[in-house]
Amino acid sequence: AQTVTQSQPEMSVQEAETVTLSCTYDTSENNYYLFWYKQPPSRQMILVIRQEAYKQQNATENRFSVNFQKAAKSFSLKISDSQLGDTAMYFCASTNRNSGGSNYKLTFGKGTLLTVNP
Amino acid sequence: ETGVTQSPTHLIKTRGQQVTLRCSSQSGHNTVSWYQQALGQGPQFIFQYYREEENGRGNFPPRFSGLQFPNYSSELNVNALELDDSALYLCASSLGSGRVRDEQFFGPGTRLTVL
Repeated sequence: AQTVTQSQPEMSVQEAETVTLSCTYDTSENNYYLFWYKQPPSRQMILVIRQEAYKQQNATENRFSVNFQKAAKSFSLKISDSQLGDTAMYFCASTNRNSGGSNYKLTFGKGTLLTVNP
Repeated sequence: ETGVTQSPTHLIKTRGQQVTLRCSSQSGHNTVSWYQQALGQGPQFIFQYYREEENGRGNFPPRFSGLQFPNYSSELNVNALELDDSALYLCASSLGSGRVRDEQFFGPGTRLTVL
């Protein structure tokens, strides 16, 4: 079974500082995507950043960047210049082909609660 | 272009009852996936519907069932509700091209409480 592990249940950071959230995954698929989602108290799951496994270059979206280590099956998220609005649950996820189906599902980790302090 | 919508926002049921949750997919999407997110956990895949047919299922019992309509909106039905069914239910729509790159767009979720 595909698994995604987030070993940090909670983290905190001071406003304007940098924080890194960790994620490891296990997959038997050759091509897959990895994602970081943000879920604020409003519950809406918001895509933060995505990485295609075939691309060696780490993805970057403004203040958010990833460190993708394919051999180690590691996919960490770095948030620079943290802002109060970054306070949320963060989920790491990977794509996996549906068993018995033709499309893909997402497998999520348990999440990391990030609190940005003023 | 409208996003993914879900109804109702909140729902309270008692054990043994049945519930129906609804999801409208994003314009142009023919695939809807349903996830259950228990408190303090990540979402777990329930099943996916593609062009009105079930297209893959997670480790959920048969009392979890679904439908997809010709306009690609979808329903999740849960029979014989149990206390452990209390959770946030998320639906996500996608293009359904069969490509790994298809992004899933999430709705705001329905919070189900079973008493």
